[in-house]
Amino acid sequence: DAGVTQSPTHLIKTRGQHVTLRCSPISGHKSVSWYQQVLGQGPQFIFQYYEKEERGRGNFPDRFSARQFPNYSSELNVNALLLGDSALYLCASSFNGPFGTGLSEQYFGPGTRLTVT
Amino acid sequence: GIQVEQSPPDLILQEGANSTLRCNFSDSVNNLQWFHQNPWGQLINLFYIPSGTKQNGRLSATTVATERYSLLYISSSQTTDSGVYFCAVPTTSGTYKYIFGTGTRLKVLA
Repeated sequence: DAGVTQSPTHLIKTRGQHVTLRCSPISGHKSVSWYQQVLGQGPQFIFQYYEKEERGRGNFPDRFSARQFPNYSSELNVNALLLGDSALYLCASSFNGPFGTGLSEQYFGPGTRLTVT
Repeated sequence: GIQVEQSPPDLILQEGANSTLRCNFSDSVNNLQWFHQNPWGQLINLFYIPSGTKQNGRLSATTVATERYSLLYISSSQTTDSGVYFCAVPTTSGTYKYIFGTGTRLKVLA
């Protein structure tokens, strides 16, 4: 079975532009989460979606938004890019959503490396 | 919100040595994961361990939820074990968030 896939692998954007990152979860998984990892730090939680609804949100500005489609794939959108948005963006999938004690193990994709110049 | 601290922050070992990595969390949790992030950035699942002890080859983990800590043991370390080790826990109240620890950077020397 394929793991979590993300596209694109790398991306270079200019300040002020908009970017869309994509994620396909493991087959059968209904939850997708997004994380930002700045160089030298741990991943920071941005969003979790379960059954197409937002179920969790981290401390990120409204420039960050996401959605989940009926096939459970997801998009992360970032508007008005800043230099500080340069990071590795990670997507994770799990079978269950938040606040579950079972089947909520998260599996990560390879990430999208975004550079903002 | 919940705080997740890992120790030590950095660790250098000779190949073949054993090590223990610690994850302390400030609030009760209902699950905990350990990950290894390789030099290419890929996060690899090691353990999903809300409580108790699990073993997988040279690695084992123990979580004592009542005392709010988890330990990751690496035995007979290999150079391929190098990378950053993270523990991560979900919040159990309020707005849902998934919190990663501060990480332990491990380097295994040949």
